[in-house]
Amino acid sequence: EAGVTQFPSHSVIEKGQTVTLRCDPISGHDNLYWYRRVMGKEIKFLLHFVKESKQDESGMPNNRFLAERTGGTYSTLKVQPAELEDSGVYFCASSQASGFYGYTFGSGTRLTVV
Amino acid sequence: QKEVEQNSGPLSVPEGAIASLNCTYSDRVSQSFFWYRQYSGKSPELIMSIYSNGDKEDGRFTAQLNKASQYVSLLIRDSQPSDSATYLCAVNRWYGGSQGNLIFGKGTKLSVKP
Repeated sequence: EAGVTQFPSHSVIEKGQTVTLRCDPISGHDNLYWYRRVMGKEIKFLLHFVKESKQDESGMPNNRFLAERTGGTYSTLKVQPAELEDSGVYFCASSQASGFYGYTFGSGTRLTVV
Repeated sequence: QKEVEQNSGPLSVPEGAIASLNCTYSDRVSQSFFWYRQYSGKSPELIMSIYSNGDKEDGRFTAQLNKASQYVSLLIRDSQPSDSATYLCAVNRWYGGSQGNLIFGKGTKLSVKP
């Protein structure tokens, strides 16, 4: 069984540019989550999809972040325009049931905004 | 007060010893509790989950939960150098529209010396 796949693994962009991160969850997992770790801080929740619907987006920092999940399969997280404070590691995770039982993380995308 | 607190470490133990990692959480609504292991530059890997008071053992790992004290711990017996990693405590508050979101501590860095 393939795990959660994220790409790119690294991205370096200039302030003001746009970046799109992609996550392919484990096949059959309806629940998909985005988390972010900013340097020196704990991993923090961004949002949660159930199939194609946003179940909870309370962790999205501002309207520069847009997440989509087309057809309930892969998901994208777009940052537009990127700011310096957006730098960090963005993790995607998926689960078959709700997160009550925990879930599997992808390897993350390290985003650096310069 | 942070929602999930861990000592950042580093915690250094000799090979073969017991490593004890501790975590406290602030929200009594928390229902499920997890320990993730994260090697440098890698994704968090779920190693233990616990849902009820008491101990849960899996191989060399034992998770302990005390909901009255809002405390969860992880014991690693016969520590090996390969156990050297950052251990993340996470709790799940499953209610209403927030089901499945994990709240993470900043992690405790464990170093097992040969």
